[in-house]
Amino acid sequence: DADVTQTPRNRITKTGKRIMLECSQTKGHDRMYWYRQDPGLGLRLIYYSFDVKDINKGEISDGYSVSRQAQAKFSLSLESAIPNQTALYFCATSGPNERESYNEQFFGPGTRLTVL
Amino acid sequence: KQEVTQIPAALSVPEGENLVLNCSFTDSAIYNLQWFRQDPGKGLTSLLLIQSSQREQTSGRLNASLDKSSGRSTLYIAASQPGDSATYLCAVRNTGGFKTIFGAGTRLFVKA
Repeated sequence: DADVTQTPRNRITKTGKRIMLECSQTKGHDRMYWYRQDPGLGLRLIYYSFDVKDINKGEISDGYSVSRQAQAKFSLSLESAIPNQTALYFCATSGPNERESYNEQFFGPGTRLTVL
Repeated sequence: KQEVTQIPAALSVPEGENLVLNCSFTDSAIYNLQWFRQDPGKGLTSLLLIQSSQREQTSGRLNASLDKSSGRSTLYIAASQPGDSATYLCAVRNTGGFKTIFGAGTRLFVKA
């Protein structure tokens, strides 16, 4: 079984709809991240969480919100989807602390979101 | 502000050729550098992680080098195979923070 899973894998929705993307991990990592990837661009960080009570904005958080329901679950929501949010979304995790793991990141398979 | 650039954006080589992918970064104060492979419709797979104190890492036919002073890393692939066809991403994590900055990637196509 995959260590980091994302649901759904593909989603087509209309402008103005609320969308939730979910991420679960079995790696036991404390840190979780949401990125988006656009053609020709690198991955850009949307939100990150160091533990259940810690949520932080990344470089492109406008239009998004997140929820860390448990150590293993981190959800990304688009409250009112717009076409320029059409992208590939990745969830990632990294280890408990720098001394043990060097913070190598592990990624889920991605969710392809299309907003019409 | 850290910027990560990968050149070329796309590369096509015949099977069996040795090749080098390049990654450059603007701020040498990095914590580590990670190379990933991305296959269409799939997530990123970590290939090699180089800590700032290291010069290179090797895994099978892959060798990644790091030169902080010049802001460069290379990924060397020996004896390329069609199965190596994918997009290769370079990602840099700066010191003093946790954020990882990604390059746009190099799309590699190995012809049989």
